[in-house]
Amino acid sequence: AQSVAQPEDQVNVAEGNPLTVKCTYSVSGNPYLFWYVQYPNRGLQFLLKYITGDNLVKGSYGFEAEFNKSQTSFHLKKPSALVSDSALYFCAVRDEDSSYKLIFGSGTRLLVRP
Amino acid sequence: DTGVSQNPRHKITKRGQNVTFRCDPISEHNRLYWYRQTLGQGPEFLTYFQNEAQLEKSRLLSDRFSAERPKGSFSTLEIQRTEQGDSAMYLCASSSGAAEFFGPGTRLTVL
Repeated sequence: AQSVAQPEDQVNVAEGNPLTVKCTYSVSGNPYLFWYVQYPNRGLQFLLKYITGDNLVKGSYGFEAEFNKSQTSFHLKKPSALVSDSALYFCAVRDEDSSYKLIFGSGTRLLVRP
Repeated sequence: DTGVSQNPRHKITKRGQNVTFRCDPISEHNRLYWYRQTLGQGPEFLTYFQNEAQLEKSRLLSDRFSAERPKGSFSTLEIQRTEQGDSAMYLCASSSGAAEFFGPGTRLTVL
């Protein structure tokens, strides 16, 4: 069965410091991996995706993520956090060999303090 | 605005009433998805359309739920005989390939 785990409910970081939001996944076939961000009372905004190719994926707003097949991880990173990055972040996976649906993690709240 | 749009944005209804939500996807996208999100959780998949064909449905989609995409453009999600447990944010997303783009959602409150 497909699943996504985001082990941290909340991540706190000071503005200007690097941030990491963790994600691990489980699929039986080839994973398509995604990160989305959600601001209060808003839908989800697409940040980046990994389909194939380079393990380091760059996305919107300076975010990047690294696909690690052996550790089945897809951690989201940013070299220098901004207060405006404070939001809810969701990791998602699709098993492209068996399903059209995205399976989401439970979300990690990122709080960037000034 | 060329993004995914959803109407209404908010819906308050009494238990037992029927409600219908509409989603207008990005115009060139042939894939359309419905998800449900409850407070503190990630979105859960409900159903998927490719053009007008409904290709996948979640077990979450009980017989009180029905979705259509009659001409492969907009989609509707209807909930009959609403229950308090149906209270959630209903998200629509569209795609032409690998990544889904989400609308702002319809927040349903069942009293």
